[in-house]
Amino acid sequence: DVVMTQSPLSLPVTLGQPASISCRSSQSLVYSNGNTYLNWFQQRPGQSPRRLIYVVSNRDSGVPDRFSGSGSGTDFTLQISRVEAEDVGVYYCMQGSHWPYTFGQGTKLEIK
Amino acid sequence: EVQLVESGGGLVQPGGSLRLSCAASGFTFSDYDMDWVRQFPGKGLEWVGRTRNRVGSYSTMYAASVEGRFTVSRDDSEKSVYLQMNSLKTEDTAVYYCTRDNWGSLDVWGQGTMVTVSS
Repeated sequence: DVVMTQSPLSLPVTLGQPASISCRSSQSLVYSNGNTYLNWFQQRPGQSPRRLIYVVSNRDSGVPDRFSGSGSGTDFTLQISRVEAEDVGVYYCMQGSHWPYTFGQGTKLEIK
Repeated sequence: EVQLVESGGGLVQPGGSLRLSCAASGFTFSDYDMDWVRQFPGKGLEWVGRTRNRVGSYSTMYAASVEGRFTVSRDDSEKSVYLQMNSLKTEDTAVYYCTRDNWGSLDVWGQGTMVTVSS
């Protein structure tokens, strides 16, 4: 199985400051059709996971543009340009290029 | 509104069985593959299993940890997907989510249903 490794696992951030989460895969996530199926999810306290980003950098409808995804091959990043209080929660990366789908361990974002 | 609603969770003894259901609404259910994902008490997420749509011949796939014990099925007329769980173990304790599979991604999630396996 593809191992997804996130860092950091805990991320204290001051309101209004940027935040960055890294996700690395144990093998390339480039699929046979040329797409890279790397996703980011947000899980707020007490809620189900919600998809934020798909195919590395595509934001879901309703996701604020302060969230952005980047990367290629095996190295990916989720960036939040200015953290707001509503961003508190756990962020997971997930690969959908290889079976079975696998998730990172999660990064807990909290306000300093 | 696109929605998935799970039901059927509860407390079961080791070795027992449980059947989870997921009712879909707000989209053409028969067009999509559907997956189950679980979240352990320590918060890690694990993909559990998948049923393809009619184009995919309703084929199923499972995580190694549940292969032979869990069965995913669907009823397009009822817009529902199911997870039959047999020979349950304490390590199956988790919140189980129904999700919509959309090209290498899980774009819609239900609210989850808790399964506790304990004597």
